[in-house]
Amino acid sequence: DARVTQTPRHKVTEMGQEVTMRCQPILGHNTVFWYRQTMMQGLELLAYFRNRAPLDDSGMPKDRFSAEMPDATLATLKIQPSEPRDSAVYFCASGSRDLLKETQYFGPGTRLLVL
Amino acid sequence: AQKVTQAQTEISVVEKEDVTLDCVYETRDTTYYLFWYKQPPSGELVFLIRRNSFDEQNEISGRYSWNFQKSTSSFNFTITASQVVDSAVYFCALRSLIQGAQKLVFGQGTRLTINP
Repeated sequence: DARVTQTPRHKVTEMGQEVTMRCQPILGHNTVFWYRQTMMQGLELLAYFRNRAPLDDSGMPKDRFSAEMPDATLATLKIQPSEPRDSAVYFCASGSRDLLKETQYFGPGTRLLVL
Repeated sequence: AQKVTQAQTEISVVEKEDVTLDCVYETRDTTYYLFWYKQPPSGELVFLIRRNSFDEQNEISGRYSWNFQKSTSSFNFTITASQVVDSAVYFCALRSLIQGAQKLVFGQGTRLTINP
């Protein structure tokens, strides 16, 4: 049963601290997405990668957020320094190689609370 | 610009009732995909269905059915004989193959509560 995995599932940290979230896409999927979900904004796309190359990170605050894909099995989203307004659920999703038929499958999310 | 509107913020019904969740979308592209996702109380997002803009056939999967109408830009979701386990937030989403090919635009979601 192929699934997207995310770690950690929950993270509580203090303002100013660095936060790193990790995602393992479904094996064989070559597109990875990072979304953020908040009550006010709903689900927003932060960034996505195809074949490990960043294609669009326009939804991400550049000054504090960074997203990387060091290899095909790992994507990371880093916040440095974190702020209370970053509190949200962060989802990773992966999509298959077939652009036309692509469906995004979501991980369980990382629930982040910045105090 | 692309937009998805789910006008129903919350719906509450009694078990075994049928319920329809509305989704209206906006796009200037002729080629696009529509999706429904379910987010149960546990928080994960579960893929339910994908539909492309060239296929207006309605689809049925067990108690779930989807009605896609391009004329009204709607992609509604009906649950027949609802069950308590159907309680969740349901999201409709749109993906264009022309603009921002990979980007999913989500509606705000409809919180569905099925009461026993």
